Amino acid sequence: GAGVSQTPSNKVTEKGKYVELRCDPISGHTALYWYRQSLGQGPEFLIYFQGTGAADDSGLPNDRFFAVRPEGSVSTLKIQRTERGDSAVYLCASSLRDNSPLHFGNGTRLTVT
Amino acid sequence: AQRVTQPEKLLSVFKGAPVELKCNYSYSGSPELFWYVQYSRQRLQLLLRHISRESIKGFTADLNKGETSFHLKKPFAQEEDSAMYYCALLSGAGGTSYGKLTFGQGTILTVHP
Repeated sequence: GAGVSQTPSNKVTEKGKYVELRCDPISGHTALYWYRQSLGQGPEFLIYFQGTGAADDSGLPNDRFFAVRPEGSVSTLKIQRTERGDSAVYLCASSLRDNSPLHFGNGTRLTVT
Repeated sequence: AQRVTQPEKLLSVFKGAPVELKCNYSYSGSPELFWYVQYSRQRLQLLLRHISRESIKGFTADLNKGETSFHLKKPFAQEEDSAMYYCALLSGAGGTSYGKLTFGQGTILTVHP
């Protein structure tokens, strides 16, 4: 019954490592979004899922970033060969339908050392 | 290109004073705009959207296409209004998902007693 859940809440990793960030949307929400928020900036769109498929991945910065949502519920954002510039808060949001308000999670703070 | 500008990073007012948080946008089509708010230790949440023409917690925002602005206003600020406020523009043409948003950098509003 809770809102969008993101795990872990904090992640520290070394440059070059691989990380996975998880998002558990509100039950029944078909649309899921990933945003990235760098320090002092507003959130920036990364990718949008409608059901299991990525309907719009135009915000992914490069091919080191990939996201999946295999069963149309939980989504995982995957970052390969992390760089210090990837350090940010990664936000997940879900909505009931395409034209419904977004419900955001608390985010995962990723720090790449 | 779409852009949202919030010229003030910080805004301080005293309780009971009027407050206006500025937002300007650039967009070639018919814009759909939103205000999101993040209270301390809480997640980002929708405050209001221009198509609803609603007043939430005493806040209103009017879309001014001539000035390409969507300023957020409240006649009498309260201490509980202290938060980070983001203006956001729906990306893409009408009918596109409501979730793909372009955010401004945000304004931190502090209401002093």
